[in-house]
Amino acid sequence: NAGVMQNPRHLVRRRGQEARLRCSPMKGHSHVYWYRQLPEEGLKFMVYLQKENIIDESGMPKERFSAEFPKEGPSILRIQQVVRGDSAAYFCASSPYIENTDTQYFGPGTRLTVL
Amino acid sequence: AQRVTQPEKLLSVFKGAPVELKCNYSYSGSPELFWYVQYSRQRLQLLLRHISRESIKGFTADLNKGETSFHLKKPFAQEEDSAMYYCALSPMDSSYKLIFGSGTRLLVRP
Repeated sequence: NAGVMQNPRHLVRRRGQEARLRCSPMKGHSHVYWYRQLPEEGLKFMVYLQKENIIDESGMPKERFSAEFPKEGPSILRIQQVVRGDSAAYFCASSPYIENTDTQYFGPGTRLTVL
Repeated sequence: AQRVTQPEKLLSVFKGAPVELKCNYSYSGSPELFWYVQYSRQRLQLLLRHISRESIKGFTADLNKGETSFHLKKPFAQEEDSAMYYCALSPMDSSYKLIFGSGTRLLVRP
């Protein structure tokens, strides 16, 4: 099992462009979580998705950010019209099912730099 | 407010010395607490969780509800323990939502 995959590992965008971050969960996992880590801070929860459903997006900024986890293919975190404050490391995690706080397995992260 | 505080950004010890990485939390209910570790060039991974009450790689952590703490301890540090350590909390009502501290970098010197 290759583990949670994220790509790209590094992404550079200019202000106003769109950023698309992809996450492929571990085989057999149907739950995906996205976290953001700003410099010198801990990871902060953004969104929890199951296949074709957003379960909890309470940590997502209200504007410009969206996430999906389609029936086929990876989960996508989309940031429209990026600003410098979006520069951060974005981590994806997956778990097989929700039961007694099932362990989340993390990907290597995507480091987004906005110029 | 739900919060996890790790007061030390960096902890430097010599090999063989005891280690204690501090973690305090703020939560009104009974949370589940975790320690995650990230070794150099590796992914964030679960080290231990309080509900398991187990020792991993010689590390233990005891939940102290009176002091709202979950400090990570090891009696004799090894060089391979050098890593970034994150304490995390999982609320009862949304157990999937991990709330992380800002992390402590442990450096074990030879």
